[in-house]
This record gives sequence, C-alpha cells and structure tokens, in this order.
Amino acid sequence: DTGVSQDPRHKITKRGQNVTFRCDPISEHNRLYWYRQTLGQGPEFLTYFQNEAQLEKSRLLSDRFSAERPKGSFSTLEIQRTEQGDSAMYLCASSPADGNEQFFGPGTRLTVL
Amino acid sequence: AQSVTQLGSHVSVSEGALVLLRCNYSSSVPPYLFWYVQYPNQGLQLLLKYTSAATLVKGINGFEAEFKKSETSFHLTKPSAHMSDAAEYFCAVSVYNNDMRFGAGTRLTVKP
Repeated sequence: DTGVSQDPRHKITKRGQNVTFRCDPISEHNRLYWYRQTLGQGPEFLTYFQNEAQLEKSRLLSDRFSAERPKGSFSTLEIQRTEQGDSAMYLCASSPADGNEQFFGPGTRLTVL
Repeated sequence: AQSVTQLGSHVSVSEGALVLLRCNYSSSVPPYLFWYVQYPNQGLQLLLKYTSAATLVKGINGFEAEFKKSETSFHLTKPSAHMSDAAEYFCAVSVYNNDMRFGAGTRLTVKP
C-alpha cells in the first residue's frame, strides 16, 4: 500500500510533555498538509508544505506547535508542553502540485491526561 | 475566506431509501468542492469532487453530487442506502489547491 502513512496511530501523554508525530506522504506528492480534528467536528487546517517550504500556517498553530519537512519528503508535527485541549485526531494529507484532491492518512489520535 | 455549511449533523434513513446530505458553500472565487467519508478511527476517503467540469459529479459507492452555483450548494445523494454507508460525511471546499475547509460533518445512520 503506497498511501499516506502516519505514526504513531495513538499517543497518550501527560500534560506538559512534548510529543512528535510523523507523516509519510505518497512518494510523488510534493504538497503536504496537517489538520486537527476534535470529536464531532470536521478537520481544521493547521499548516501546509510545498516540498520543504512551509507556505501557510493557521492561527490555530500556536507557538507550542511546530512542523517540519526537512527534505521535502516526510513531515513531523511537534507539540510542546501539551495541554488537555490538544487532545484530538491529527490528520496528514498529501497532494501533487498540479492536483486538487488531498489524500489523507489514518491519523494520529492524541490523548493528553 | 471560503467555507462550507452542512445542514443536519445527523441523518437517519432506512436501508434502500434515498440518501440526501446537504452542503452549502461560500467562496469569492470559483471553488473546488469535495465530499469525504470517514469511518470510526480512520482517515478520510474521497467520495467525489467538483473541479469546474461537469456539474453532476459521480463518485464511488453509488454516490453523486450536483454543483448548483445559483444555490451555492453541493448536496450529496445516493438512490438506495446500504448498511455499509453508515459513517460520517464531510463536505469541503478549497481554492487554488491550498488549505481545505471542512464542514462540521453529517453522521449517517442506516436502519435495517
């Protein structure tokens, strides 16, 4: 299967800890997106990359959040000093530069105790 | 900025009945519109998309949607519901292939 993959699928952490999630996009896709989805809501855009450049960030992405895509392939999303309000599903998606459809990974479910 | 509104957070139909999930959009430029389906604890799967070609779009699993500019709508339909259609459905809009804005979702329940 060559779809978008995310790791880990589930993460439980204590408040105040740092967590890092990884996303591997479809190999030929140069656009990569991060979304957050809370219970009963649709995904909310966080940020997106074209190759290694981070081109847009949502106001939802506070200074505790940082995303990287150092070589234009996989991406990481780090949350520092986690809070209970960070509990959510974090979704990654990718698309080709000339495409308008985003392909989603299975998500990482974060629970902050 | 673009946005979508999904009318009805929960829709319940009987197996074999018509499925109609409503979505209205707002965009200052011609939008791309999408319907995604999400099963519990899974990511989103694309059902269909509108990209300014035909206004009636056919997707997977027998779903289709019609883009109506005059009504700013993109409602999702399926003639005959199946038990396996029970899931959460999201309408989404994007412009210039940047971030995608999703509705709050509609949970579809199919009764036997």
